[in-house]
Order: sequence, then structure tokens, then C-alpha cells
Amino acid sequence: VQLKQSGAEVRKPGESLQISCQTSGFAFGSYWIGWVRQKPGKGLEWMGIIYPGDSDTRYGPSFQGQVTISADRSINTVYLHLSSLKASDTATYYCARHYNQYFDFWGQGTQVTVSS
Amino acid sequence: FVLTQPLSVSESPGKTVTISCTRSSGSIVSSYVQWYQQRPGSVPKTVIYQNNLRPSGVPDRFSGSTDSSSSSASLTISGLTAEDEADYYCQSFDDSTWVFGGGTKLTVL
Repeated sequence: VQLKQSGAEVRKPGESLQISCQTSGFAFGSYWIGWVRQKPGKGLEWMGIIYPGDSDTRYGPSFQGQVTISADRSINTVYLHLSSLKASDTATYYCARHYNQYFDFWGQGTQVTVSS
Repeated sequence: FVLTQPLSVSESPGKTVTISCTRSSGSIVSSYVQWYQQRPGSVPKTVIYQNNLRPSGVPDRFSGSTDSSSSSASLTISGLTAEDEADYYCQSFDDSTWVFGGGTKLTVL
């Protein structure tokens, strides 16, 4: 099982960004894939999750309407779209496979810096 | 619901430490509790899942439990080593919402 995320990004406030999470080694359409944010020096925050099998998507209350999660089954990849970026979106973003209420395999993380 | 953890705990090498995770509403036993270890600069790693199960490769010095009377879960680490120094996060689930505790910094003195 592997989840490989796209590389570090630097953006200006107001810009948009899409992070990818390419998976391999398991049946992509049969597992939920989640996104977790970690701001510098802070804890883990669950952002949302998608079931690529039918694109059913759930969002955490703090992230509903703020981010978009999608999946492309043809390339076993999940995406996290962040728009209207602010300095407070500076963080490391992790994708993680979900199994039976927990996250068993994690991507390596994508560091996002938002700065003018 | 919210999962509350102590900000920090510390203990000496070879000793045993317990980290608590208290659920603010609902029953702690209504969903599984997991524990993740995150060393500085590293990806979170599961050390306990489904309340008290250890993934392969995690030493049996790590154990988990839940207590419905206090609506809390605990992670216990025995025989502490310097390698155990890390942040630990509990996590649970309810009604299509996944929640992480705020994290506890374990210092091995």
C-alpha cells in the first residue's frame, strides 16, 4: 500500500491550489481516502474524506465549503482543492487511507506555504 | 464531540506512562479509538487501533484501553525509551465525522 502526494507548494494569498494523492497497492474504489491538515507546531485536523467507488464525500465542519475533495478512478488518485488561500492555510496536508474507523496508511505529506 | 488530551506528559526511561483521551459527549465505546504517534518531522503512525489492537511492528509495550464510566480512552507505554518521545494523538469517529484529540507531547527525561 502506498500513497504518494504531490510536492511542496508556495502560493500567494487569494490563489488556488490542488494537491494530489496517488495510491497503489490496494483496490482504490473500495476504501475511503481522507485528508488531514497540520498547521506548523499544531495538531492533526480531519478535513474530509471521499469514497472513490461512488465519489461519496464528507467534510469536517470547519472545512465544509472551504475545500473540495475529488477522485479520479482512472489513475487511482485523490485530490484536495484549496481556493482563496490565506496565510492561515499554511500547513502540511496529509492524505490517508481509511479502514474501519481509522487511518491505516498515510501519504508523506505536502507542505503548503501561503505568503505574499 | 471533542477529544481532550493533556498537553504534555513526561517520564523517565524504563518507566510507564499513560496518556488519557476524554470524549466530551456521547459514549467512548460507541466508536473505536485509535492512537497515532508522530515523531518530529515525520508522518503519523498508528500505534493502537480499534481501542486496543497493535499493528504489526508496534512493540507490545504499547497498549490501549477504554473506560465507559469516564468516557475516556488511555494509551499506556511501558519500558519507556528515548524512541518513544513524540506527539501522540487519539482519534475517534461519530456520525460521519472523524475527530482527533489535540495531541500530547511525551517527553522521556
